[in-house]
Amino acid sequence: NAGVTQTPKFRVLKTGQSMTLLCAQDMNHEYMYWYRQDPGMGLRLIHYSVGEGTTAKGEVPDGYNVSRLKKQNFLLGLESAAPSQTSVYFCASSTGNSPLHFGNGTRLTVT
Amino acid sequence: SQELEQSPQSLIVQEGKNLTINCTSSKTLYGLYWYKQKYGEGLIFLMMLQKGGEEKSHEKITAKLDEKKQQSSLHITASQPSHAGIYLCGGGTSYGKLTFGQGTILTVHP
Repeated sequence: NAGVTQTPKFRVLKTGQSMTLLCAQDMNHEYMYWYRQDPGMGLRLIHYSVGEGTTAKGEVPDGYNVSRLKKQNFLLGLESAAPSQTSVYFCASSTGNSPLHFGNGTRLTVT
Repeated sequence: SQELEQSPQSLIVQEGKNLTINCTSSKTLYGLYWYKQKYGEGLIFLMMLQKGGEEKSHEKITAKLDEKKQQSSLHITASQPSHAGIYLCGGGTSYGKLTFGQGTILTVHP
């Protein structure tokens, strides 16, 4: 029972490069979320999805895009990475009326 | 600014002391969650509160949600070094949208 799996665990990008972070859950959850965590800022919501094929903007969506083509996967894309996007990224999922299940995080550094 | 505000931002206590962390929202919350995080690690679910006036306890930790569902508190009784970490409150303010506060860093000195 894997729960929520994030890939990759670590990544270093150069400014202007693009990448996709993958989140996969095997709990048949409807809701999925992408957060970023920076020192002193707690967790900030980037984008979220309330079901397959739907996405919505969170608190800090600029510079990111997401897709939820399959219920079990939620992809976070950075089209042109910037140093301000250096952060730890967490994916989470839930039924909508239950606690969030979090992945172990992806540590991204943009140089 | 974030939709949920936590206070204090950091807290240093002596082992055995009681402490309280607060979480405030400007909007009525659909639900309120408390999580704990050890430095550099993932998040551990502590408690979920959904009804106004609800109170839950687990071991030495008690969480409450006020009647208006806009304020929550997390109280630790007789703190131990194992309680140290970052405490985060999260809440739903609109359909599907779940945001978190900026976190409270707790240090417990033996």
